[in-house]
Amino acid sequence: AQSVAQPEDQVNVAEGNPLTVKCTYSVSGNPYLFWYVQYPNRGLQFLLKYITGDNLVKGSYGFEAEFNKSQTSFHLKKPSALVSDSALYFCAVNQAGTALIFGKGTTLSVSS
Amino acid sequence: KAGVTQTPRYLIKTRGQQVTLSCSPISGHRSVSWYQQTPGQGLQFLFEYFSETQRNKGNFPGRFSGRQFSNSRSEMNVSTLELGDSALYLCASSLEPTGLGNYGYTFGSGTRLTVV
Repeated sequence: AQSVAQPEDQVNVAEGNPLTVKCTYSVSGNPYLFWYVQYPNRGLQFLLKYITGDNLVKGSYGFEAEFNKSQTSFHLKKPSALVSDSALYFCAVNQAGTALIFGKGTTLSVSS
Repeated sequence: KAGVTQTPRYLIKTRGQQVTLSCSPISGHRSVSWYQQTPGQGLQFLFEYFSETQRNKGNFPGRFSGRQFSNSRSEMNVSTLELGDSALYLCASSLEPTGLGNYGYTFGSGTRLTVV
């Protein structure tokens, strides 16, 4: 069975500093990996995905994520955080033909 | 173009009643998935439909059911409501099954169900 873990419930960073939101996964074969963001009282928004190819994936709003097969990780990063990046971030995983399974989410708080 | 539309936005039901939630996907999207979101359990997968066929089903009791119509609109039904069914129910649509298209899933804003 596939699963995804986000080890941090909350990440706090100062505006302008780099941010990292961690994600590890467990699947039996090749994973498809995603990051989504949720703002209050809204549905989730797609940020980026990794299917195959380059391990560094660039997505919306300046976010990127690095796929590391040996560490089974897919951490979300941004070089310079904005206060408007404050939201709930979800990592998700699936494989061909299976449902998309989400992690518990990490609240990112960016202070000015 | 219009996003994913979920109706109603808010719903209050009494324990034991049943409820039907509706989801209209983005035009052209044939894949619709449903998720239950609660503070304690996070996002839990309910089911996925593609071209009117259920492709995947999550680990929920039989009280939870769904269907998809020929125009890709989807409904989910919960019978014999329990207090623990109180949650935000999110619908997501995509061009490809399981959100593997270029833009992943597009989510609706959800239906907030409160069971009293």
